[in-house]
Amino acid sequence: AQKITQTQPGMFVQEKEAVTLDCTYDTSDPSYGLFWYKQPSSGEMIFLIYQGSYDQQNATEGRYSLNFQKARKSANLVISASQLGDSAMYFCAMREGGGSNYKLTFGKGTLLTVNP
Amino acid sequence: DTGVSQNPRHKITKRGQNVTFRCDPISEHNRLYWYRQTLGQGPEFLTYFQNEAQLEKSRLLSDRFSAERPKGSFSTLEIQRTEQGDSAMYLCATGTGGWYNEQFFGPGTRLTVL
Repeated sequence: AQKITQTQPGMFVQEKEAVTLDCTYDTSDPSYGLFWYKQPSSGEMIFLIYQGSYDQQNATEGRYSLNFQKARKSANLVISASQLGDSAMYFCAMREGGGSNYKLTFGKGTLLTVNP
Repeated sequence: DTGVSQNPRHKITKRGQNVTFRCDPISEHNRLYWYRQTLGQGPEFLTYFQNEAQLEKSRLLSDRFSAERPKGSFSTLEIQRTEQGDSAMYLCATGTGGWYNEQFFGPGTRLTVL
């Protein structure tokens, strides 16, 4: 079974509008972390936002917020006031608890295109 | 530039040749990861170092792959007898000890095996 599922291969949004990118996850570990990364065409992965499984409040970082619904095992990324520079691949990733290896498991990504 | 650096950025090789990639981490980061990303997929974990010790290897890392991190600083990833299926982007990421801390990624090395 996929640990991270991103069901939207591609999304389009108008500049200045908000957009939600979906992510669902699968783990039996009570301790986990969820990350979103942005990958522009240049290839470098850029960290956006983090949500821990025990965090009571949804994470926010500037124009990025994470809609964390633990019971549904979803961690959707919301980008407000989209900008042309937001056009990129977006990856949801999970880190599961236990051990010293903090490796990330990634979804397949969503390609976001912001239209002027 | 104090970010993670990787060299070379691009590598084209013929099938059967050996290739080596290098990753230079952010200086205070003791954790170093290698990931592989194929077209249309997210990165997949290959191996992990804590300082100079290689603590975990993925099943994706066949015996043709070897990674080192001498002295706990830079790391190298070598692929012997390359195959066309090895064509991918190889990403290095580093981080500190905090479980909630993000990993910082380098720009990657894009390998093309002809």
